[in-house]
Amino acid sequence: TQLLEQSPQFLSIQEGENLTVYCNSSSVFSSLQWYRQEPGEGPVLLVTVVTGGEVKKLKRLTFQFGDARKDSSLHITAAQPGDTGLYLCAGAPGTYKYIFGTGTRLKVLA
Amino acid sequence: NAGVTQTPKFQVLKTGQSMTLQCAQDMNHNSMYWYRQDPGMGLRLIYYSASEGTTDKGEVPNGYNVSRLNKREFSLRLESAAPSQTSVYFCASNRQVLSGANVLTFGAGSRLTVL
Repeated sequence: TQLLEQSPQFLSIQEGENLTVYCNSSSVFSSLQWYRQEPGEGPVLLVTVVTGGEVKKLKRLTFQFGDARKDSSLHITAAQPGDTGLYLCAGAPGTYKYIFGTGTRLKVLA
Repeated sequence: NAGVTQTPKFQVLKTGQSMTLQCAQDMNHNSMYWYRQDPGMGLRLIYYSASEGTTDKGEVPNGYNVSRLNKREFSLRLESAAPSQTSVYFCASNRQVLSGANVLTFGAGSRLTVL
């Protein structure tokens, strides 16, 4: 069974602080995605990374795919209350199958 | 609005009852998925359908059956519900983006409670 472990599981920070969320696996993935989920809704895609070592920026969010394509990180600069949510990484070991991480629940306090 | 539509949004069942969760997408996507989400466990793949006419098991298929009725619809059936199947169920469909990667679009979820 391929697993994606996320850390930390929970994170509560003050507005303006920086944070990093990690997504690790022993398996290689052809691509990796990050999603954010709000209460009562389905996950919504934030970014997809496909190349080992790739770095993508989305405003205050920076995503990195590990060189060996087994891990990824999400860094948020100057967090805002609107960033509150459940962050999920998802890896595609093949073409059609997607495995999700355990999730990181972020709360940003005003 | 285009997207993934799931019904029902909420359902309460007694142990042993059966029910079907319906999912439809209007984005002409080939692949569709059923996940369950439990506290502290992220999303776990139950079944997926790479294309119309095909279905495959995911991580946790026991106790479930699926039907890919046509390209738009993918249903999930619980033949004899158990309390362990209390969960939030998400349907998703898959599209390919310019980079060649595939990304998932999710429905709003169906909350199922089995007493």
